[in-house]
Amino acid sequence: NAGVTQTPKFQVLKTGQSMTLQCAQDMNHEYMSWYRQDPGMGLRLIHYSVGAGITDQGEVPNGYNVSRSTTEDFPLRLLSAAPSQTSVYFCASSYADRTGELFFGEGSRLTVL
Amino acid sequence: AQSVSQHNHHVILSEAASLELGCNYSYGGTVNLFWYVQYPGQHLQLLLKYFSGDPLVKGIKGFEAEFIKSKFSFNLRKPSVQWSDTAEYFCAVMGGGSYIPTFGRGTSLIVHP
Repeated sequence: NAGVTQTPKFQVLKTGQSMTLQCAQDMNHEYMSWYRQDPGMGLRLIHYSVGAGITDQGEVPNGYNVSRSTTEDFPLRLLSAAPSQTSVYFCASSYADRTGELFFGEGSRLTVL
Repeated sequence: AQSVSQHNHHVILSEAASLELGCNYSYGGTVNLFWYVQYPGQHLQLLLKYFSGDPLVKGIKGFEAEFIKSKFSFNLRKPSVQWSDTAEYFCAVMGGGSYIPTFGRGTSLIVHP
């Protein structure tokens, strides 16, 4: 099983550029989410989705957009990148119940210059 | 809103030493509790979880955790650490009917050979 696949693994952007981080899962999980990981800050939830067509904001949503057109895919868009968005981004998925563990992708390291 | 506190931000041990990482949460209702581990350069993966029943749960690689409801704690333990346990450890809590976990800020563990 591929599990949760994220692309790209590394990306360097200039301030103001836009880009999309891709996330796909093949486990038929209803719940998908994006986190950013920064030193000393742990994991902070950006956006999440509980099914196709349904998205909601997490703790730090500003500067990011998401959509969920299919169960499998949950892309994260940076509309106008800022240096403060330099981080490691993780996509995660699970069944939408309280017993479900999160399955994480391998991460995308983004640097905004 | 629920919150998770991991009091030890950095822990340095020698091999064969015993380990205990603290995790406290703030939520008075039923909770599901998790410990995730992130090895250097890798994504997070589940170490162990508690839903109900025996408050002492065993996970992979010799780790265990004890849920103490009266103390709102879910501390992670290992009797004898190895160099390969060097990683970042995250505690997470689901409570109040939510299936969106709240993560602590993580504890960085370094084990010297």
